This record gives sequence, structure tokens and C-alpha cells, in this order.
Amino acid sequence: GAGVSQSPRYKVAKRGQDVALRCDPISGHVSLFWYQQALGQGPEFLTYFQNEAQLDKSGLPSDRFFAERPEGSVSTLKIQRTQQEDSAVYLCASSLDVLNTEAFFGQGTRLTVV
Amino acid sequence: GESVGLHLPTLSVQEGDNSIINCAYSNSASDYFIWYKQESGKGPQFIIDIRSNMDKRQGQRVTVLLNKTVKHLSLQIAATQPGDSAVYFCAENGDNFNKFYFGSGTKLNVKP
Repeated sequence: GAGVSQSPRYKVAKRGQDVALRCDPISGHVSLFWYQQALGQGPEFLTYFQNEAQLDKSGLPSDRFFAERPEGSVSTLKIQRTQQEDSAVYLCASSLDVLNTEAFFGQGTRLTVV
Repeated sequence: GESVGLHLPTLSVQEGDNSIINCAYSNSASDYFIWYKQESGKGPQFIIDIRSNMDKRQGQRVTVLLNKTVKHLSLQIAATQPGDSAVYFCAENGDNFNKFYFGSGTKLNVKP
């Protein structure tokens, strides 16, 4: 596609519910990032994939967060047993090569946990 | 984590004036920096980048300056337009290319 696509755009979840957020990176992009952005703050790194390999997951806040990219293209960020503090915008970005220059972001998924 | 901060959280300029947005970073090992623009309800949009072996890079109406001595980055926007109104973030790569550290952002308001 022309850009990074994320779905859904908005998600409302009841506390304790599991959610899955999808990211379609730009075709051919090797690198994929997930970021979390709280209201009024800059994005915070969650995890990084190079093709299907998850090379860095140091930013995942707890073991309730899980990300995968099984075929090296589409990625899913799963949050189990959501809590109110998980409410944020989840951003996905992709970059053409492993040097990760010019990372392009999707529009994000706004998750609200009620 | 890394510390990337901005001196001015909000900047108001008149349409047609030049804008300067500043950013300080803390990791002297950072060798790649990006400026992003984020409009309300949208993801960050890449504006311009610079590597540490440069001190200046120009794009269309934008210039990024890097001062490694004082670990300072700035974004200059020439002839600011209403469409430039957004939040601007600087990001640094720290000591690897696998993640970027973002500042908290500067909101630019362009008055017509």
C-alpha cells in the first residue's frame, strides 16, 4: 500500500478484555516498530521487528503485551486483560532497511479501556 | 532511558514568519536524528533527518541544525504557513538503530 495502515482506528475495551491491534507496513519494508503514545506525550518505544524476528521487546510494559510478525509483513500487537493504564494511541512504523532511517508511521489505534 | 527534551512546549508565530523549534538530547552516542510533525488525530509524519557527521541539512522550507558539542538540535521552518500548525517531535536513536527516543513535543501555532 501507499503507507502504513493500522486497524482498527479506535477500540474501546472493557477492563479485563483482550485486544488485538493490526499493522500493515509499507510493502517491502524490513523493519517494523510499535510505539505507545499517551495523551500529550511523545511516542514511547515498545518493540522492534526485523522481518519476522523480534529483535527488541524491551519497551513492552508487562507480560500482558505481546507482538508478532510471523511472515515478516503484517504485525499484531496483543494486549491481554486490558487495564485502564493501557489507554493510549498505539503507533506502528516501518522502515525500508535495517538502518531504520526514515521510519514512516501509521495513523495509530486509539485504545480506550473503560 | 534516553532524555530528549524541548525548551519551548508551545510556540506561536505569525504566518509568514520563520519558526525555530529547539531540542536537547542527552546521549552523546546518538548518531541519527529525525524531526516529526504530528497533526491532531494523525501519526507522526517524517519531516527531515540528519546524521551526526553533518551539522546542517536543508529540505523544502525546513532546515535542521545539529550542534553535537552542546547536544542540541533545531528545526527551522521558513515562511511558516497555517498548515504547519502541529506538534513537532525530535527523535534520536540513542546507541542503536532499533529504537528511537522521542521528546515530549512542541506545539506550533501559526496565527493568520
